[in-house]
Amino acid sequence: AQSVTQLDSHVSVSEGTPVLLRCNYSSSYSPSLFWYVQHPNKGLQLLLKYTSAATLVKGINGFEAEFKKSETSFHLTKPSAHMSDAAEYFCVVTSLTGGGNKLTFGTGTQLKVEL
Amino acid sequence: DTGVSQDPRHKITKRGQNVTFRCDPISEHNRLYWYRQTLGQGPEFLTYFQNEAQLEKSRLLSDRFSAERPKGSFSTLEIQRTEQGDSAMYLCASSPGGGPSNQPQHFGDGTRLSIL
Repeated sequence: AQSVTQLDSHVSVSEGTPVLLRCNYSSSYSPSLFWYVQHPNKGLQLLLKYTSAATLVKGINGFEAEFKKSETSFHLTKPSAHMSDAAEYFCVVTSLTGGGNKLTFGTGTQLKVEL
Repeated sequence: DTGVSQDPRHKITKRGQNVTFRCDPISEHNRLYWYRQTLGQGPEFLTYFQNEAQLEKSRLLSDRFSAERPKGSFSTLEIQRTEQGDSAMYLCASSPGGGPSNQPQHFGDGTRLSIL
């Protein structure tokens, strides 16, 4: 079975400083991995996806993530945090089901951005 | 592309009542998914449709839950005899069919269910 572990439930950074949100995955085969962001009382928005092409994946709003098979990690980074980045972030792994893909979410990391 | 639409956004009901939620996926997407998200947790998979066929149901989907997608377009999720533990955000997502099965899913804003 596929699973992801988000290592920090809360991360707090100052505006303009780098962001690092950590994720480790477990998968019995080459996984597809995603990062989604959720603002309060809203649905989930896709930030970026890894599907076995380039290991460094660039997403929206300046975010990127690096797939490291040797470390089974898929950490999310951003060089400079903005106040609007404050939200909950989910690392997600997929498993195939009947032609579709079932998403398995981590427990989330709440990002707080301070002035 | 108007996005995935869910209705209602909020539903408050008394324990024991039945509730029904609706999801309208992105029009050209033939894969549709339902997830449930409780407070402080990530969403959990409930069920999946390819066109009108319901291809997988999670063990989380008890006998009180039923989902349909009669014409392969919109979907409904019904909960009968609601219980306190059903209080959650119910999220719908859709993705294109016919391509790789790992295409990203597009989520609606969810229906928040509160059981009194």
